[in-house]
Amino acid sequence: AIQMTQSPSSLSASVGDRVTITCRASQDIRTDLSWYQQKPGKAPKVLIYAASTLQNGVPSKFSGSGSGTHFSLTISSLQPEDSATYYCLQDDGYPLTFGGGTKVEIK
Amino acid sequence: EVQLVESGGGLVQPGGSLRLSCTASGLTLSDQYMDWVRQAPGKGLEWVGRSRIKAKNYTTEYAASVRGRFTISRDESKNSLYLQMTGLKSEDTAVYYCVRDGGKLGATAFDIWGQGTMITVSS
Repeated sequence: AIQMTQSPSSLSASVGDRVTITCRASQDIRTDLSWYQQKPGKAPKVLIYAASTLQNGVPSKFSGSGSGTHFSLTISSLQPEDSATYYCLQDDGYPLTFGGGTKVEIK
Repeated sequence: EVQLVESGGGLVQPGGSLRLSCTASGLTLSDQYMDWVRQAPGKGLEWVGRSRIKAKNYTTEYAASVRGRFTISRDESKNSLYLQMTGLKSEDTAVYYCVRDGGKLGATAFDIWGQGTMITVSS
């Protein structure tokens, strides 16, 4: 199975900061990666798919990049409503696998 | 409004069985790739399995942790997806989400999620 290593596992940043979360795949997954935001007690929400395509309705402060084995999700200007846990998901091969998650907190 | 609603969760003894249902409104499930994703208490997301579209004969894929114990099926007449779980173990305790893959051009994007249903496996 393809392993997805997400880092950091948690971070604390200030309002207005630029925040970057990374995911590394254990093998080449091309651009077969999506990013999800999950708030406590809620179902996840897709932000980015195909590594860099913004899902309809998602604010443009979220962006994704990368291909192959190294990917990143960036929040350009962190706001209080961005406090959540973020996950990457690879869909290059079965089983689909999620990263371990990054908990983003506001200082 | 497009919506997925899961049901069937609850408490079950180790070794027991349970069937989860996911009923859709606002979309026709036969045209959708559908997945199940679970989340153990306080843990991350885990993909459980996938059911492809009708044109692909509703073929399925499973995570190694559930293969041979869980089965995904559909009922077109009820516009529903099911997850039949047998041989349940304590490590299957989780919230189970029914999810639509709405990705374009072969990409995966889990864009519609149910509210989740909790399964607790305990004696």
